[in-house]
Amino acid sequence: RKEVEQDPGPFNVPEGATVAFNCTYSNSASQSFFWYRQDCRKEPKLLMSVYSSGNEDGRFTAQLNRASQYISLLIRDSKLSDSATYLCVVNIWSGGSNYKLTFGKGTLLTVNP
Amino acid sequence: EAGVTQFPSHSVIEKGQTVTLRCDPISGHDNLYWYRRVMGKEIKFLLHFVKESKQDESGMPNNRFLAERTGGTYSTLKVQPAELEDSGVYFCASSQDRARGSYEQYFGPGTRLTVT
Repeated sequence: RKEVEQDPGPFNVPEGATVAFNCTYSNSASQSFFWYRQDCRKEPKLLMSVYSSGNEDGRFTAQLNRASQYISLLIRDSKLSDSATYLCVVNIWSGGSNYKLTFGKGTLLTVNP
Repeated sequence: EAGVTQFPSHSVIEKGQTVTLRCDPISGHDNLYWYRRVMGKEIKFLLHFVKESKQDESGMPNNRFLAERTGGTYSTLKVQPAELEDSGVYFCASSQDRARGSYEQYFGPGTRLTVT
């Protein structure tokens, strides 16, 4: 089982649509959770951290369910500029004082006019 | 504030040659990480420096890969000799001192390595 699994996608949605990304992780020692976005041939950019209480940043809402080991990202009123690959990323304790980011494979989103 | 920078942006080398990638982290970031994405796969952790010390190198594929961070500033990742399966995009990331509570990592633009 992969450490971080995401919806394989791709997602194609019209402008203004609401789109949801789902992610599960296998390591219960996971400490921190993030959503990154990656544009084609660019580096991953931090979109938002995900907190246990859930958090919102404008049109973006992230949720974490530690019991189910599940993370989600909701984008409301999607824009053309939201087109990118969305990466679910988990910071996993790997022994001693070591943590490392573990990435999902990403879900490609295309927002169409 | 300048972001993470990497050099070169692209490198094409022949199998058996040596390549050295460089990463300059965000100023003041003690933590520096190397990652790699091979085609069709997810981004994978390679190693982690805290200042000049290797904190975790469990992701390094084999002993053909050597990472250094002299003086705790920039880092280099050398592949010698390169093999075809080393092709991919190598990302560097940095973050602040973990004691300040920040686990957020900021990525450089990557070096696209092609081994022919």
